[in-house]
Amino acid sequence: DTGVSQDPRHKITKRGQNVTFRCDPISEHNRLYWYRQTLGQGPEFLTYFQNEAQLEKSRLLSDRFSAERPKGSFSTLEIQRTEQGDSAMYLCASSLVAGPSTIYFGEGSWLTVV
Amino acid sequence: QKEVEQDPGPLSVPEGAIVSLNCTYSNSAFQYFMWYRQYSRKGPELLMYTYSSGNKEDGRFTAQVDKSSKYISLFIRDSQPSDSATYLCAMKSSSGSRLTFGEGTQLTVNP
Repeated sequence: DTGVSQDPRHKITKRGQNVTFRCDPISEHNRLYWYRQTLGQGPEFLTYFQNEAQLEKSRLLSDRFSAERPKGSFSTLEIQRTEQGDSAMYLCASSLVAGPSTIYFGEGSWLTVV
Repeated sequence: QKEVEQDPGPLSVPEGAIVSLNCTYSNSAFQYFMWYRQYSRKGPELLMYTYSSGNKEDGRFTAQVDKSSKYISLFIRDSQPSDSATYLCAMKSSSGSRLTFGEGTQLTVNP
């Protein structure tokens, strides 16, 4: 399977703990995106990378959130000092820069903060 | 006001019906329009992609874009129970990178 891969698929954590999600994009895609989706809502943009450079961050991405994409390959999204409001599905997506740049999503990582 | 408005439903139809799903938007810079299908607790799956105005057909699915009215539609012909899912419209500008989504319409096709 050469789609977008995310790990872990589910995470339950206690409030105040740190969590990290990993995303492996489609291999030839140089853009990588993180979105957040809560129940009954569409995905909301968090941030994106072109190769290893983080080019845009949403105001939704508070200082407790940090994303990295070392060497322009996989990416990690870390949430520090988790809060109950962080409970959501975190979606990773990837695309090419050139052409129509259609965006393909992974299966998501579900986070529950208790 | 949200940039993209989508009726959340739920929408329930009998098998074989024609389904019409719609979104309106306010940002005239949007040039690329997509429809994603999302099954429960899964990631969105790209169904249709169109650029600017016009129609695009793929099997039982037809996407329409009317930029003058800022209105896009997805039609599903001969709907099947396997089409039961949430349908998300999404769009972006030609210079932008991020997608802006509607909140999704939950569709149930009853056998």
